[in-house]
Amino acid sequence: NAGVMQNPRHLVRRRGQEARLRCSPMKGHSHVYWYRQLPEEGLKFMVYLQKENIIDESGMPKERFSAEFPKEGPSILRIQQVVRGDSAAYFCASSNTESNEQFFGPGTRLTVL
Amino acid sequence: ILNVEQSPQSLHVQEGDSTNFTCSFPSSNFYALHWYRWETAKSPEALFVMTLNGDEKKKGRISATLNTKEGYSYLYIKGSQPEDSATYLCAFNAGGSYIPTFGRGTSLIVHP
Repeated sequence: NAGVMQNPRHLVRRRGQEARLRCSPMKGHSHVYWYRQLPEEGLKFMVYLQKENIIDESGMPKERFSAEFPKEGPSILRIQQVVRGDSAAYFCASSNTESNEQFFGPGTRLTVL
Repeated sequence: ILNVEQSPQSLHVQEGDSTNFTCSFPSSNFYALHWYRWETAKSPEALFVMTLNGDEKKKGRISATLNTKEGYSYLYIKGSQPEDSATYLCAFNAGGSYIPTFGRGTSLIVHP
């Protein structure tokens, strides 16, 4: 029973490029959450999705960031035209419909040069 | 903005010591309180989910208590071992929300 999977684990981008981060939830989980951990800070909520729906994106920056969770395939967090301030660890978590206990993936560490 | 505070920020103890740390959260509109253990270079691992005032949970040498009326939870580690070294995070859910607010964690280092 695989846990939450994220890839890539490390991603290096130059300023202005696009970053795509993938998250495959645990089997049977239909709720996905994305968090960002900036250096020296805690986990900050970004967006909560269910299959084909964005439920809450109150933590997402208004520009350049988007997320999706299609009917088939992983959830994608997309950052366009990355800037140095986007460098952070991005964690995905999933839960099932009956519990709000979240299970975390190993994270993607994004470095913007 | 919900305020979830953890103290102390970091803690160094000797192997065999017992220790505890605190998570403070809003005392109104409580729904759930979570504790996670987060080892360096790994993902946060759920320890406890607590929902009722007075709840006490235990897993091995680690236990937690919950006081929703005054807005705090304690995490206790009995007889700390070097492998307990990690950051311990708490997360607060308000009013049935699926969105937790995380504290910044307590970093525990257990010296052999």
